Parts: sequence; C-alpha cells; structure tokens
Amino acid sequence: GNSVTQMEGPVTLSEEAFLTINCTYTATGYPSLFWYVQYPGEGLQLLLKATKADDKGSNKGFEATYRKETTSFHLEKGSVQVSDSAVYFCALSDRLGNQFYFGTGTSLTVIP
Amino acid sequence: GAGVSQTPSNKVTEKGKYVELRCDPISGHTALYWYRQSLGQGPEFLIYFQGTGAADDSGLPNDRFFAVRPEGSVSTLKIQRTERGDSAVYLCASSIGLGQPQHFGDGTRLSIL
Repeated sequence: GNSVTQMEGPVTLSEEAFLTINCTYTATGYPSLFWYVQYPGEGLQLLLKATKADDKGSNKGFEATYRKETTSFHLEKGSVQVSDSAVYFCALSDRLGNQFYFGTGTSLTVIP
Repeated sequence: GAGVSQTPSNKVTEKGKYVELRCDPISGHTALYWYRQSLGQGPEFLIYFQGTGAADDSGLPNDRFFAVRPEGSVSTLKIQRTERGDSAVYLCASSIGLGQPQHFGDGTRLSIL
C-alpha cells in the first residue's frame, strides 16, 4: 500500500538556521510527491511538488528532491525565517490521482 | 479568484444528531476530495469525486457517512447518528484533474458532545 512517514516534531530553530524535515514514502508504481504547509489559523497550502524521480521542487526558498533510490522527499531550506513557522505535511498521490496520502505533519517554530 | 469554501466553519452538536457539511470547490475543478483530520494527524482520505460520481469512497469509515455532488460542483458530506469519535476537522479539496495539486478549504471543525 501507499504511505508517508515524516519526522516527528516539534522542531524549534533560530532564525537563519538550516532546516531539514525528513520524509520517506512507500508506494506502488510511480507516485507524485508534495509538501503542503499550514500556517497558524490558515488552511493547507501547496508548497512544492515533484512528479518524477530526480525532480526537484522549489518554492519560497524551500527545496525537496524526489529520490527513488531512497524513497525520500526531504524538505530543506538554507535560512529559515520567523514567518516560516507552520506545520509541514509531506504527501503523495498515486499515478491515478485518486487518493492523496499525508504524513502526520511536522510543526516548525522559528525564534528570532 | 475564490478558493475552496467550506461551511460552516464550526459545528457543535449532540451525539446521535445528523450533520451536513458543505464544500464549494474552485470553479472549473472537476475533482473534489473530502478528508478528515484529527488533532496531531495528517489529513485522512474519505472520498473522491470526479464530476458527479463518487470515484472512490474507500476511505469512508462506515455507512453513517455519505457524500453527494449532484451537479458536479458543490458537495455535501453527511453524517448520520453522530458519535463523539466523529469529532475532527473535515477538509475539502479540489483539483483541476487527476494527480494535480489539491487546493484546500479552511475546513469545518466538528465537535460532537
């Protein structure tokens, strides 16, 4: 079956620190991979995506590379800001796109 | 343009009552999804519509849950004989097509007393 496992939080970083949030997946076939973000008091928003192996998704300084050999899609940012404080969800969709499978979310707090 | 709209934003009701949750997707989005999110968890798939038909309802937990999308736009999630365990945030999402990124509403927070 399909599933996503992401690193547990909460994560607390100082401003300008380097961020990594690990995500690994199990899937049949060739899924598409996504990172969604939920800012305080807001709904889920797409942050970035990758649809095939070795693709790199990027947005707002965040990056994630689709690694088929390690079944991973780790989220990284070189220098976090206070405004990046949110909950981050890794997700996959199977090739049919019928279902999205979400991880449990990782809460990030960035302190000045 | 308008995003996915869900109403009500909050619903509190007593155990055993019937509830309806509404989702108005982004105009032109043919795919519509319902999820349930419990505290500290990621969204859990319930049902997916392509147009008017439920293409996959394998995530509905039991026969107390039902969803419709009669005209291929607005969808209603219906829960009969509610139980305290049904308390969660119910999320709706729409997308322009299969496998495309989903756009989420702000959810309906359902509390069963």
